[in-house]
Amino acid sequence: KAGVTQTPRYLIKTRGQQVTLSCSPISGHRSVSWYQQTPGQGLQFLFEYFSETQRNKGNFPGRFSGRQFSNSRSEMNVSTLELGDSALYLCASSSSGQGLTEAFFGQGTRLTVV
Amino acid sequence: QQPVQSPQAVILREGEDAVINCSSSKALYSVHWYRQKHGEAPVFLMILLKGGEQKGHEKISASFNEKKQQSSLYLTASQLSYSGTYFCGTGGSNYKLTFGKGTLLTVNP
Repeated sequence: KAGVTQTPRYLIKTRGQQVTLSCSPISGHRSVSWYQQTPGQGLQFLFEYFSETQRNKGNFPGRFSGRQFSNSRSEMNVSTLELGDSALYLCASSSSGQGLTEAFFGQGTRLTVV
Repeated sequence: QQPVQSPQAVILREGEDAVINCSSSKALYSVHWYRQKHGEAPVFLMILLKGGEQKGHEKISASFNEKKQQSSLYLTASQLSYSGTYFCGTGGSNYKLTFGKGTLLTVNP
């Protein structure tokens, strides 16, 4: 059974640009969540999608957005990039939803904003 | 609110035991434990659900005190492979996991 796939693995962007990250969950999983990981801050929740609907959102500015497609694949978009957006972005898939069942994480996308 | 983990870091010798604590100021529905090795994705260890049901694997155990809104992860007879950063995540019915800042565990030979 294939795991969670995130693409790309690494990205370097310039301040002011926008970026789109992709996440393919485990087959059959309908819940996808996104997290931002920075040194010392742990995993910060961005949002959770289930069957194309956003069910919860973390405390991030509106520059961070996401969506989920009918095949459960999800994308996250960050517009007008800032230096502070440099981080590892992880997505996690689960069968029922975050907080209810175990979540499986992808390897992440390392975003560097210069 | 982010759960608080303690200690922030711990160093063990192989074979020693360790306890990692996680406490929350909010009522908990579930507590999840993950381990992340450097450069890798977090890996699920354990989920503890309100009502006492516990699911997990490996030779690691955990407790969940609903009244005190606390959970502890017990690592006994630690192995070198236990090294990594341990995160607790607290969950509710709102489809959101809130993680602590992590506990760095180092096991030396």
